[in-house]
Amino acid sequence: DQQVKQNSPSLSVQEGRISILNCDYTNSMFDYFLWYKKYPAEGPTFLISISSIKDKNEDGRFTVFLNKSAKHLSLHIVPSQPGDSAVYFCAASAFGNDMRFGAGTRLTVKP
Amino acid sequence: DTAVSQTPKYLVTQMGNDKSIKCEQNLGHDTMYWYKQDSKKFLKIMFSYNNKELIINETVPNRFSPKSPDKAHLNLHINSLELGDSAVYFCASSQGGWGNANSLQHFGDGTRLSIL
Repeated sequence: DQQVKQNSPSLSVQEGRISILNCDYTNSMFDYFLWYKKYPAEGPTFLISISSIKDKNEDGRFTVFLNKSAKHLSLHIVPSQPGDSAVYFCAASAFGNDMRFGAGTRLTVKP
Repeated sequence: DTAVSQTPKYLVTQMGNDKSIKCEQNLGHDTMYWYKQDSKKFLKIMFSYNNKELIINETVPNRFSPKSPDKAHLNLHINSLELGDSAVYFCASSQGGWGNANSLQHFGDGTRLSIL
């Protein structure tokens, strides 16, 4: 069963606007969530994370929101830049174990 | 209906042993990958195969040898295991290769390798 889902395989946004990437999970034991960014021909690189004791974590243009009751997290990128065009993976783990990945969302930021 | 499955899920073994991790995907993808996660966040590509052909072989000790009997399988064999090999290893697959901007990757659940 897929415990972490990214239901939108692709997203297209205009430069300067907000990009919102969504992720849903089913396992209530997950206590740590991460977002990875992947460019073509490169491995995924860590972007931002959030612990389940928080509902928001911000790092520059990137903010991750966690809604535990809805088992939903989102990544906001404001303002979006063409260099943000990449595939974004959501991941979740429980007590430092058993990390699960979503299948990714391809973000395209148009100039 | 697991898309990418890895076995075993946990592997505890002694230094010096030889072990294998298997990976199978039923998505019909043409490319498969092995990643090593050696911290909570850092995920490093090790190998990639496209249609049974090795296309990526990063700087990995030659004790690690991938084997792809067909495009649905990519197994990882590790000889003479060392303490530093302890990590979680993730298999993934995609349609479209490593450099394809449109290819999304489906990850397995990981194999936690612990060397005693």
